[in-house]
Amino acid sequence: SQQGEEDPQALSIQEGENATMNCSYKTSINNLQWYRQNSGRGLVHLILIRSNEREKHSGRLRVTLDTSKKSSSLLITASRAADTASYFCAGRGGGNKLTFGTGTQLKVEL
Amino acid sequence: EPEVTQTPSHQVTQMGQEVILRCVPISNHLYFYWYRQILGQKVEFLVSFYNNEISEKSEIFDDQFSVERPDGSNFTLKIRSTKLEDSAMYFCASSETGGPYNEQFFGPGTRLTVL
Repeated sequence: SQQGEEDPQALSIQEGENATMNCSYKTSINNLQWYRQNSGRGLVHLILIRSNEREKHSGRLRVTLDTSKKSSSLLITASRAADTASYFCAGRGGGNKLTFGTGTQLKVEL
Repeated sequence: EPEVTQTPSHQVTQMGQEVILRCVPISNHLYFYWYRQILGQKVEFLVSFYNNEISEKSEIFDDQFSVERPDGSNFTLKIRSTKLEDSAMYFCASSETGGPYNEQFFGPGTRLTVL
């Protein structure tokens, strides 16, 4: 898979359910960041996990990182309609540039 | 909460024209970036800037592109002679440091349409 590839590409759930999105990457990273993008809008920073961390929480978000498998997951618990957006992972390797994934489109239905 | 701002939100230009996209990074941040997202595609890195110099650039960032920090608050991206394929959403970002664990905060983007 390519650097920063998410699956599933699209996810539709009911409000109150949990949403899990996965991200895989190819090259080594210093950190991995997750962003949310509402349709046609800007990127909102959600959470950063360092390469030496395995799990991190922020509110209803839980991120895991497995550097041996070069993968990360984002869990949104108790989803809300307002969580409907595209979610991207972005890895930072050497240098400062972020390499973004293809994104997961999450739709939370009432 | 401090945020990155960008102007204009939408820019329409004719092919071959020059455009300047403007950004105001978060005030205490030292590293600045431009990314772009062609409709339906991934967000792609263009350039990073620190201490009034380009620190890293991608293959996309060719001689048609330039960046500048003209004063203490603005950070600009200039495209000298726009092409149809330059149509995209352009995002400015900034980070406080350049360390391995810095968070990059993005602006709302400028949608550039080249006709």
